[in-house]
Amino acid sequence: EVQLVESGGGLVQPGGSLRLSCAASGFTFSSYSMNWVRQAPGKGLEWVSYISSSSSTIYYADSVKGRFTISRDNAKNSLYLQMNSLRAEDTAVYYCARSGSGVPGVYWGQGTLVTVSS
Amino acid sequence: QSALTQPASVSGSPGQSITISCTGTSSDVGSYNLVSWYQQHPGKAPKLMIYEGSKRPSGVSNRFSGSKSGNTASLTISGLQAEDEADYYCCSYAGRVVFGGGTKLTVL
Repeated sequence: EVQLVESGGGLVQPGGSLRLSCAASGFTFSSYSMNWVRQAPGKGLEWVSYISSSSSTIYYADSVKGRFTISRDNAKNSLYLQMNSLRAEDTAVYYCARSGSGVPGVYWGQGTLVTVSS
Repeated sequence: QSALTQPASVSGSPGQSITISCTGTSSDVGSYNLVSWYQQHPGKAPKLMIYEGSKRPSGVSNRFSGSKSGNTASLTISGLQAEDEADYYCCSYAGRVVFGGGTKLTVL
């Protein structure tokens, strides 16, 4: 069974940093590209970042470019999102999602809440 | 990239059919057949319902179907059931990932 479990969310002050993790199991993690997708309270889904299976290709949404860094450790079956210079508008539930054929999110984690507030 | 355009809400009675539209541009929805649809119940993670425009993942009811015409993709749900009440999001995977704003489906 495919499982994606996010962790690392919490309350952080504006300008602060946070590192999210996503632990993957039930599939060959190193064979799949991954995405981070977020959802602000009461709002829709917003794609955040993409990383290919070998980390050779990485994309970011304009809203987080230069502040967030996606990475992965295939030996540890883990996906990460380093978030710096956090803003109030980054407050959201962050989901990790496994890509498929032409699909950014075949499987999704349960999400981790990040709250940016003073 | 701008978000894809979906109606904010649609509604239907049990047993009826409804269609949710998703309008993009010739650079995303119109160029590739890589539109997917997600169902999200309150407090839950999104669930993939349709991929590559019209394909259903294993386990998804055949009451759900997808199609595309020009720059507009559509999700049709036939034989509406109470459990179909949820938010639905379209998504284009054309170089970058772009989601629609979401549509709240109410089953009357």
